[in-house]
Amino acid sequence: DAKTTQPNSMESNEEEPVHLPCNHSTISGTDYIHWYRQLPSQGPEYVIHGLTSNVNNRMASLAIAEDRKSSTLILHRATLRDAAVYYCILRGGATNKLIFGTGTLLAVQP
Amino acid sequence: KAGVTQTPRYLIKTRGQQVTLSCSPISGHRSVSWYQQTPGQGLQFLFEYFSETQRNKGNFPGRFSGRQFSNSRSEMNVSTLELGDSALYLCASSLWTGDTDTQYFGPGTRLTVL
Repeated sequence: DAKTTQPNSMESNEEEPVHLPCNHSTISGTDYIHWYRQLPSQGPEYVIHGLTSNVNNRMASLAIAEDRKSSTLILHRATLRDAAVYYCILRGGATNKLIFGTGTLLAVQP
Repeated sequence: KAGVTQTPRYLIKTRGQQVTLSCSPISGHRSVSWYQQTPGQGLQFLFEYFSETQRNKGNFPGRFSGRQFSNSRSEMNVSTLELGDSALYLCASSLWTGDTDTQYFGPGTRLTVL
């Protein structure tokens, strides 16, 4: 399973944009890039996923590098509720398992 | 739609006992996966069931087993409990759309082994 590398922690101020980076230099052509987050005392929650093109949804945007070896999750206006551990995960083939790394702990200051 | 439900939410057992955890997926979802979360090891994949068949398995001993019923509900069982089995056990259901899917997690069952 291809691995991802994320910073252990990041800080942001409320209502400011947040850019969470993820490196995945061993990504294969069929791997999707998924992001999940886990709020305190809850199960993980799907955020967004993409393959090659940048993606937007109501929660966030995903910017994927042209060579696909890195990606960035963008929260346009951080709120206190966005404080969570964010996981960047590569998924490919028929396997359904999510291989979680250590993720990035995002702290949001009021 | 109702989300993924897990029962019980909390459980206390002693070493050597066995435990069964239950997961009800979102209606229409046929795939159920189980994960173990501990402070030391993080989130680790246990196994995945699809249409009553185990499709994927993680690196856990045979004491960890599971099954899925025809209504997609799933159970996992841990026999001969050890202290190290204390963890949050998470269940996720998913629906494939094209070449990938989205997993929806339940709130988890907090197992404490004394």
